[in-house]
Amino acid sequence: EDKVVQSPLSLVVHEGDTVTLNCSYEVTNFRSLLWYKQEKKAPTFLFMLTSSGIEKKSGRLSSILDKKELFSILNITATQTGDSAIYLCAVAPRNQFYFGTGTSLTVIP
Amino acid sequence: DTAVSQTPKYLVTQMGNDKSIKCEQNLGHDTMYWYKQDSKKFLKIMFSYNNKELIINETVPNRFSPKSPDKAHLNLHINSLELGDSAVYFCASSQGWVGGSNQPQHFGDGTRLSIL
Repeated sequence: EDKVVQSPLSLVVHEGDTVTLNCSYEVTNFRSLLWYKQEKKAPTFLFMLTSSGIEKKSGRLSSILDKKELFSILNITATQTGDSAIYLCAVAPRNQFYFGTGTSLTVIP
Repeated sequence: DTAVSQTPKYLVTQMGNDKSIKCEQNLGHDTMYWYKQDSKKFLKIMFSYNNKELIINETVPNRFSPKSPDKAHLNLHINSLELGDSAVYFCASSQGWVGGSNQPQHFGDGTRLSIL
């Protein structure tokens, strides 16, 4: 059965810390892995990864995919209180879409 | 301008009723989706339409029926509502299938459905 597992489930850090969020998956016909940030309302798209070893970067956020070991990490450096959110990983096999359980990140001043 | 808009934002109704949630996108996208997010924040895809044709139909009760009158609209009708249907329902859209097109998915703000 296809599945996507994120860890940790929740995380509390201080402003300025660096965090690493993990997403491992087991799916057939893998096509891509996506990261989203969800604050109070709808998820917003962060990254889409299709190839191993190529880092995607946006400001203080970066992500990389390992298709051999079947996982991805999302790094956030110099965290700010505005980074507090649920971070969702999703995997898209052919014509399918599976979300992980999410990691709840709280950044305290 | 709202890219993906859902109505209503909140829906409180009795068990056994029939209700609809509407979704419209003004992004010119050809693919639309419905997701359900439960109380533990777990998001699960329910349906996906591409150019008005159903391409994903997850294992959801047949009380749920999506309808896509045109590319810009994907409505969700739910018959005989049950307590377990209480959740937040998100509509989303993208140009091409989100997993293959490298195009981001845009979500609506969600409809919070509460069954009494």
